Amino acid sequence: DVKVTQSSRYLVKRTGEKVFLECVQDMDHENMFWYRQDPGLGLRLIYFSYDVKMKEKGDIPEGYSVSREKKERFSLILESASTNQTSMYLCASSVFDEQFFGPGTRLTVL
Amino acid sequence: AQSVTQLGSHVSVSEGALVLLRCNYSSSVPPYLFWYVQYPNQGLQLLLKYTSAATLVKGINGFEAEFKKSETSFHLTKPSAHMSDAAEYFCAVQTSYDKVIFGPGTSLSVIP
Repeated sequence: DVKVTQSSRYLVKRTGEKVFLECVQDMDHENMFWYRQDPGLGLRLIYFSYDVKMKEKGDIPEGYSVSREKKERFSLILESASTNQTSMYLCASSVFDEQFFGPGTRLTVL
Repeated sequence: AQSVTQLGSHVSVSEGALVLLRCNYSSSVPPYLFWYVQYPNQGLQLLLKYTSAATLVKGINGFEAEFKKSETSFHLTKPSAHMSDAAEYFCAVQTSYDKVIFGPGTSLSVIP
C-alpha cells in the first residue's frame, strides 16, 4: 500500500527557531511536494522536487528552504520561524498525475 | 495562467440528498482535472481524475464528475449523500508534468 509519512502530526515552536519538517515516501516516486494549507486558500505550493538534489520554487517559497538528499525523503526547513508560518503543512509525492499525500503537520509558531 | 474556483466554501445537504460541488477552471491547454477529498485530521486522497478519456468520470464512494469543456467546469456529484461524506473537497487542475493547482476547497456537511 502506498504510503507518505510525515515526522510529526503536531508541532509547536517559538518565533525565530529553525524548524525541520520531514517527509518520507515508500513508492519510489521521483516528484515530491510541500504545500501549506490555510482556510479559504486551499493548498499553496511551497517547493517541489523532481529528482534527488533538485528543487524548484513553488508559489510561496519565501521563508522556506528544502533538502532532498535521498529519493524517498524531502525535508522542509523554516530558517527562522515566524507567526505567519503557523499552518498545516502537507507533503505529497507523485508519478505524473496522481498525488499521494501524507497526513499533514500542524505547525504552531508562538 | 491556470486557476481553479470552487463556488461555495461550505455546502450543507441532508442525508440521502444529491451532492453537487462546483468547480470551474481556467487553462490555456487541455487540462488534467482532479477531485481530492480530505477527511478531518488526514491528508488528501484522490476521489477521481479526468485525463482526456471519457468526459464522465466515476470515482470512489459513488462520486462522479463530468468534464464540460464549453463551460470549463468539472462539477462533482453524488446521488445520495451519506454521513461519511462529510469532509473537505478540493478540485485541482494540472497542465504540466509537475505542478497541480488546487482550488480553495468546499467543506461538505451532511445533516441527518
